[in-house]
Amino acid sequence: DQQVKQNSPSLSVQEGRISILNCDYTNSMFDYFLWYKKYPAEGPTFLISISSIKDKNEDGRFTVFLNKSAKHLSLHIVPSQPGDSAVYFCAASRTSGNTPLVFGKGTRLSVIA
Amino acid sequence: KAGVTQTPRYLIKTRGQQVTLSCSPISGHRSVSWYQQTPGQGLQFLFEYFSETQRNKGNFPGRFSGRQFSNSRSEMNVSTLELGDSALYLCASRGFGTSGRYTGELFFGEGSRLTVL
Repeated sequence: DQQVKQNSPSLSVQEGRISILNCDYTNSMFDYFLWYKKYPAEGPTFLISISSIKDKNEDGRFTVFLNKSAKHLSLHIVPSQPGDSAVYFCAASRTSGNTPLVFGKGTRLSVIA
Repeated sequence: KAGVTQTPRYLIKTRGQQVTLSCSPISGHRSVSWYQQTPGQGLQFLFEYFSETQRNKGNFPGRFSGRQFSNSRSEMNVSTLELGDSALYLCASRGFGTSGRYTGELFFGEGSRLTVL
């Protein structure tokens, strides 16, 4: 039972354009969502997060949108740069009960110069 | 401050052997989690330790075990290795406030790449 789904295994975007990565979740108890970026041979690094009390969080070129009714979140990268090429993981958690982060399978983003 | 440190970075074992992986969390972090990453499967949760106690456990067979020491360092062990255990094993730590609730995101190490032949 996959609670966090990233249905696009890969995405290619031209440099300078917007990258949109999508994530769906099934567990309505999740109230904290994160995006991680992973380069080959490195561990994932935290990118941006959002609490369920918000519907948008912005950090520089990165913006995460949360639609609780649709159980959907998305990561927007504007403008996309070649250095953004990596695998992006969506993760979700319940802040109460100290439950573990549940990750999606990841989306490989390729930004083409 | 220093990040999460995992050793060894790479190792090769044969079927039936056992392996122990080590993780040193960020100083002050009392929670250590372990994840397995395989191609196409994302990051699958193995277990989490907090103050030497297993707090959460994922859906892995009993061949996978772990422990945490009083200095928060953690080890995970896989016994009777199978070909399917070949993966990147990631350790992550996170900080908890005095209430015992986590205060933020996971900080990952670079992982231990296990190859089982």
